[in-house]
Amino acid sequence: DQQVKQNSPSLSVQEGRISILNCDYTNSMFDYFLWYKKYPAEGPTFLISISSIKDKNEDGRFTVFLNKSAKHLSLHIVPSQPGDSAVYFCAANAGNNRKLIWGLGTSLAVNP
Amino acid sequence: DADVTQTPRNRITKTGKRIMLECSQTKGHDRMYWYRQDPGLGLRLIYYSFDVKDINKGEISDGYSVSRQAQAKFSLSLESAIPNQTALYFCATSDLTSSGRSTDTQYFGPGTRLTVL
Repeated sequence: DQQVKQNSPSLSVQEGRISILNCDYTNSMFDYFLWYKKYPAEGPTFLISISSIKDKNEDGRFTVFLNKSAKHLSLHIVPSQPGDSAVYFCAANAGNNRKLIWGLGTSLAVNP
Repeated sequence: DADVTQTPRNRITKTGKRIMLECSQTKGHDRMYWYRQDPGLGLRLIYYSFDVKDINKGEISDGYSVSRQAQAKFSLSLESAIPNQTALYFCATSDLTSSGRSTDTQYFGPGTRLTVL
């Protein structure tokens, strides 16, 4: 049973526009959420995270929003650039066990 | 130099062979993980180790074994490789804060592409 769901396998956006990647979760015990970016033939790299005590975290062009009541988070990239084209994974965990639970990823294509 | 390295980067082997994938890290992290990635299935945890004396099974440990030789080294073995173990394998590390709470963020190696014929 998928506890972290990324329902859109792919997304295509024009350069300069906003990219919005969505993630839903089912486990109300999750208290920390992360986004990773993955290029082909490379390992995932950490992008941005958010604690459940916040509803927004921003880092340059990347902003993550958390809606705990809806068990939903989203990653906004603005403006989108061709170099942002990659697979984006949402991950979550709960407690100090610290095993990340991963979504299946969304492939973002930013077109020039 | 990369903080998390994996060897080999690519490997083609035959069914029934024993294979070892190695992971080394210079980050000084206590926690290490092995994942596999398959198309459409995301990242699945095979084994993880929270320190040298602690080894835990992940969600898909059958057919795999691990060894934590030192804080910096965590190897994954396929005792008798089978074709459905063809996948991309990633090693990752994470650390604890000074208060003992995990920092959550995992740092990944570049991956090993394994093909079992």
